[in-house]
Amino acid sequence: KQEVTQIPAALSVPEGENLVLNCSFTDSAIYNLQWFRQDPGKGLTSLLLIQSSQREQTSGRLNASLDKSSGRSTLYIAASQPGDSATYLCAAGDYGQNFVFGPGTRLSVLP
Amino acid sequence: EAGVAQSPRYKIIEKRQSVAFWCNPISGHATLYWYQQILGQGPKLLIQFQNNGVVDDSQLPKDRFSAERLKGVDSTLKIQPAKLEDSAVYLCASSFPRRDPTYNEQFFGPGTRLTVL
Repeated sequence: KQEVTQIPAALSVPEGENLVLNCSFTDSAIYNLQWFRQDPGKGLTSLLLIQSSQREQTSGRLNASLDKSSGRSTLYIAASQPGDSATYLCAAGDYGQNFVFGPGTRLSVLP
Repeated sequence: EAGVAQSPRYKIIEKRQSVAFWCNPISGHATLYWYQQILGQGPKLLIQFQNNGVVDDSQLPKDRFSAERLKGVDSTLKIQPAKLEDSAVYLCASSFPRRDPTYNEQFFGPGTRLTVL
């Protein structure tokens, strides 16, 4: 059974810093890994989808990497802004489109 | 392209009452999911539909929860009777099942926040 963990649970950084969020999964037989952002009281917004054959994906200031063999993915946020404050979740997807989520990392970017 | 629609956005009920949530997925998305998200946790899958058939309902508490997707488009999730521990956000998501499953991407609705008193 797939289990997904995220470290740290919460992170507070000053504006402008680069930061890394970590996601670990126990079953390396994933088909993809998706990173989401969730603002308080809102649904999940898809940020990046990394296919199992890819090592990384980039969108603007975001870069996500995937290492299936070690069961890890990282989300790198460059030059953080207060508007980046949110909870970031990762989800590991299998062949049957079943996604298992981590508990999330709550990010606060201080002006 | 319109996103995933859910209603209501908020619902407050007393324990032992019943409640129903509605979801309309993105047009053309054959796969629909219902998740339960308890405060401070990641979403937990309750049920997954492919068109109007159930793919996975292994984590659905079937003694009190039920879901249907009769015409393969919109879906309803019902809780009867509700318990205090059902207080959570109920999220609906949809995806388009691609030939290469590595491209499958989920899109979420805004969620329904349920409070059981």
